[in-house]
Amino acid sequence: EAGVAQSPRYKIIEKRQSVAFWCNPISGHATLYWYQQILGQGPKLLIQFQNNGVVDDSQLPKDRFSAERLKGVDSTLKIQPAKLEDSAVYLCASTLISTTEAFFGQGTRLTVV
Amino acid sequence: AQSVTQLGSHVSVSEGALVLLRCNYSSSVPPYLFWYVQYPNQGLQLLLKYTTGATLVKGINGFEAEFKKSETSFHLTKPSAHMSDAAEYFCAVTQTGANNLFFGTGTRLTVIP
Repeated sequence: EAGVAQSPRYKIIEKRQSVAFWCNPISGHATLYWYQQILGQGPKLLIQFQNNGVVDDSQLPKDRFSAERLKGVDSTLKIQPAKLEDSAVYLCASTLISTTEAFFGQGTRLTVV
Repeated sequence: AQSVTQLGSHVSVSEGALVLLRCNYSSSVPPYLFWYVQYPNQGLQLLLKYTTGATLVKGINGFEAEFKKSETSFHLTKPSAHMSDAAEYFCAVTQTGANNLFFGTGTRLTVIP
């Protein structure tokens, strides 16, 4: 079974630039999550989708972050414009609706300089 | 509201020694509890989880954890550490009917030869 795919693995951008991350969840997983993991901290939920609808985006900084999952499969997370404090690993995870086990991708490490 | 506290950001043990990583949770409803492991530059991998039923939970790689409601704890143990256990370990909590995880700040385990 293929795991959660994320790209790119690494990205370095200057502040005020924009960046986008892509995630393809495990086939059949209706629920998709984006987490932000700042160095030295645990992952923090940014947004949760179920199919193509948003379940929870209360922690998403909506002035600069956006995410979509148009067809209920893969998802894109965008930051525009980026700030230095956005430097982190962005993790995508997916689950079946009826289970609690989340499967994580390898993450995208973003460095904002 | 839910939260997790991991005591000790760094733990060092000798190879073959007992591993004990501490996790205390706060939840206003019956919790689901998880331990994840993260190797360098990798995503998170589920070690074990407690949802309902038996309070002693066995996971992969010889790890186990015990849910103690009276102590609001879910400590992770392994009788004998192996060099390959060196990684970052995260405790997480969610609640019945939800899937989004609240993570602790992590404990970095170092295994000394």
